[in-house]
Amino acid sequence: DIRMTQSPASLSASLGETVNIECLASEDIYSDLAWYQQKPGKSPQLLIYNANSLQNGVPSRFSGSGSGTQYSLKINSLQSEDVATYFCQQYNNYPPTFGGGTKLELK
Amino acid sequence: QVQLKESGPGLVQPSETLSLTCTVSGFSLTRYGVNWVRQPPGKGLEWMGTIWNDGNTDYNSALKSRLSISRDTSKSQVFLKMNSLQTEDTAIYLCAREDYDGTYYYPFAYWGQGTLVTVSS
Repeated sequence: DIRMTQSPASLSASLGETVNIECLASEDIYSDLAWYQQKPGKSPQLLIYNANSLQNGVPSRFSGSGSGTQYSLKINSLQSEDVATYFCQQYNNYPPTFGGGTKLELK
Repeated sequence: QVQLKESGPGLVQPSETLSLTCTVSGFSLTRYGVNWVRQPPGKGLEWMGTIWNDGNTDYNSALKSRLSISRDTSKSQVFLKMNSLQTEDTAIYLCAREDYDGTYYYPFAYWGQGTLVTVSS
């Protein structure tokens, strides 16, 4: 199985700040990488797929990049509603596997 | 619109069997598969298994000996059964639609709300 290593595990940032979250795959996943946002008590919501494509309805302050084994999620101009846990997932190779998550809090 | 909803007992005794149902609407189980994913409280997501649109199944190798996924297409329901439950199986159990089109895999765009299962005596 492909191992997904996400960093940092937790992050504290101020409103308006830019945030970056990294995800490293144990092998090339050819940009078959998704990012999810999960708020407390809710199910994960798909933010980005194919490493850099924004899901319908997701604010443009979210963006994804990367290729090969290294990927990142960027949140520009952090808003209070962005407080959540973020997960990456590879779907290039079966079974699908997830990163450990990054808990984003406000400073 | 696409909806998935998990249901089942909130509390299960250690060593007993967990039975959960995922009831779907807005799509057909003969066209799309369904995944089960679990999340221990405060922890990450673990894929458990998939029932494909043709009824075939795949399981997480770590759970395969204890896990069974089946479906009733006429009722738009997918079932999860897992035996020999232990306290470490305490988690939120979620179902998510599988959008594999025969060539490409896709991320999980549609999820249920999840159901908390606590394993305790």
